[in-house]
Amino acid sequence: QKEVEQNSGPLSVPEGAIASLNCTYSDRGSQSFFWYRQYSGKSPELIMFIYSNGDKEDGRFTAQLNKASQYVSLLIRDSQPSDSATYLCAVTTSGTYKYIFGTGTRLKVLA
Amino acid sequence: EAQVTQNPRYLITVTGKKLTVTCSQNMNHEYMSWYRQDPGLGLRQIYYSMNVEVTDKGDVPEGYKVSRKEKRNFPLILESPSPNQTSLYFCASSSYPGTGGFEQYFGPGTRLTVT
Repeated sequence: QKEVEQNSGPLSVPEGAIASLNCTYSDRGSQSFFWYRQYSGKSPELIMFIYSNGDKEDGRFTAQLNKASQYVSLLIRDSQPSDSATYLCAVTTSGTYKYIFGTGTRLKVLA
Repeated sequence: EAQVTQNPRYLITVTGKKLTVTCSQNMNHEYMSWYRQDPGLGLRQIYYSMNVEVTDKGDVPEGYKVSRKEKRNFPLILESPSPNQTSLYFCASSSYPGTGGFEQYFGPGTRLTVT
């Protein structure tokens, strides 16, 4: 079982819709959770991090964490074509500072 | 401008010829890390460093060496490159992780081809 799993997609949504991206992780000791966005040919850039159960909102983005079910999700409201990218989920584990990334979900926002 | 720089950006080399990819950050960050990115496998951490002279293995350290003699620099060394090390490499840095989240800033990437 992969430590951090994401559906590779592509996930296609129409412009203005809500995009929902999901990530599951296997290590119950995981402590911090991150969403990065990576445009084709570019470096990853951080969108949000979350480390407490519940929701965290930042503009059009909401991260949701459920440690009991071991999943973290990212909602993108009012999706724009410029949101088309690969979204990477990453976790770190208490006691180490290793970063574990998922393989990413490719999002396509259709104009 | 706050940034992470990597050099070279592109490198084609032959099997067995030692090479070094440099990484430097100007943000006074304690934490630095190297990743490789391969299609279908995502980003995998090679090594990371919590501070000067403190390094630790990530998930795929075999065939790589690192050193952290200065806070701003974290070079990646391939003593004897092999074709399976052909990949896109990213360096990243962040402030001390602490107990919460910490944002990593990524360099522009180095595309390495080993023939």
